[in-house]
Amino acid sequence: DVKVTQSSRYLVKRTGEKVFLECVQDMDHENMFWYRQDPGLGLRLIYFSYDVKMKEKGDIPEGYSVSREKKERFSLILESASTNQTSMYLCASSGADRANEKLFFGSGTQLSVL
Amino acid sequence: LAKTTQPISMDSYEGQEVNITCSHNNIATNDYITWYQQFPSQGPRFIIQGYKTKVTNEVASLFIPADRKSSTLSLPRVSLSDTAVYYCLVGDGNNAGNMLTFGGGTRLMVKP
Repeated sequence: DVKVTQSSRYLVKRTGEKVFLECVQDMDHENMFWYRQDPGLGLRLIYFSYDVKMKEKGDIPEGYSVSREKKERFSLILESASTNQTSMYLCASSGADRANEKLFFGSGTQLSVL
Repeated sequence: LAKTTQPISMDSYEGQEVNITCSHNNIATNDYITWYQQFPSQGPRFIIQGYKTKVTNEVASLFIPADRKSSTLSLPRVSLSDTAVYYCLVGDGNNAGNMLTFGGGTRLMVKP
């Protein structure tokens, strides 16, 4: 089975800190994604990447950046964390760009910004 | 991007069949329909995917009418462990970003 691993299950940071959320997948998937999930708002796409060093903005990229230096790793960066970025962050991956590929998710990182 | 609309919540009892309908009026020709299940404190998990007519696997069935403007996820004989949030996604995986807009999901509560 595909495994998508997020480096931290819970994270507490202070306002203004730079925060790195790491995600690693072990199935040689081309596509990787970062979502955030908030109560009542479902999952919202922040950024995605379809190749190494490539990135595309999702629906809510403001306040975030990403890095994909290696195929298996996709990092989400909060340059200066704010309290409104307190959320559950979910990483996902999928295979080559075919119409019937499915997403595999990690277990999520619950980030609290104080 | 095709937008989806689902009921916010549904209640059922153990052993019943549950049908969750998703509306996607703006679905494009190349779009597939995919359903995910999410338990608390976990990431969503793929359930089923289809393009038209009917698809069945060991977990669920997916019914898609000819106009493809809606789809229905059918869960046969639900148990307490099927209590979860179910998401419908519509998109074209050939453009990775299009596949990935989640709606609000349907919170299914299965009661004893």
